Amino acid sequence: AAGVIQSPRHLIKEKRETATLKCYPIPRHDTVYWYQQGPGQDPQFLISFYEKMQSDKGSIPDRFSAQQFSDYHSELNMSSLELGDSALYFCASGRALLGEQYFGPGTRLTVT
Amino acid sequence: AQSVTQLDSQVPVFEEAPVELRCNYSSSVSVYLFWYVQYPNQGLQLLLKYLSGSTLVKGINGFEAEFNKSQTSFHLRKPSVHISDTAEYFCAVAYGKLIFGQGTTLQVKP
Repeated sequence: AAGVIQSPRHLIKEKRETATLKCYPIPRHDTVYWYQQGPGQDPQFLISFYEKMQSDKGSIPDRFSAQQFSDYHSELNMSSLELGDSALYFCASGRALLGEQYFGPGTRLTVT
Repeated sequence: AQSVTQLDSQVPVFEEAPVELRCNYSSSVSVYLFWYVQYPNQGLQLLLKYLSGSTLVKGINGFEAEFNKSQTSFHLRKPSVHISDTAEYFCAVAYGKLIFGQGTTLQVKP
């Protein structure tokens, strides 16, 4: 069965640089979610999209933005990177009415 | 507001012993509840879910959980654990987005 695809899997950036993370949801899923997981922490919700429209927003810094495109893939753009942005970033997709979410393998971002 | 509390940060257990990982939730509305497992340096895998219906939910890898509305709990159980079950386990409540508990590290010892 198809799973959520995230790219890249690993990314190393320097402070003040920009990063773009990509997510390809499971086909026919109408909702995409982004989460951030710091070392030893639980995942924290950043932002979600339902049918390509932003549906909810969590603790996402103003330096971050995201969008979902016509082919349903989503991108998380992160600018002016800080050391504290080093984390695992997960994308999940699901069908809103069913409530469940399936996670991708994550992108490990390291900011030096 | 929705919240999730996992009552144990670490649970050590010997192989083939039973285990219970405890989860309590707080919600003012009907809930969807989930357990996810995360192996080191990997993503989150859905173990099982409660959406409605039977309060005893069976998942993958021999895990099951019981939804208890009066006690607002959703504890995860397995009758006999294996070394390969060593991982981080997250309980979560869905309110659109998922709200996770702090996680429980299950350490299975030989």
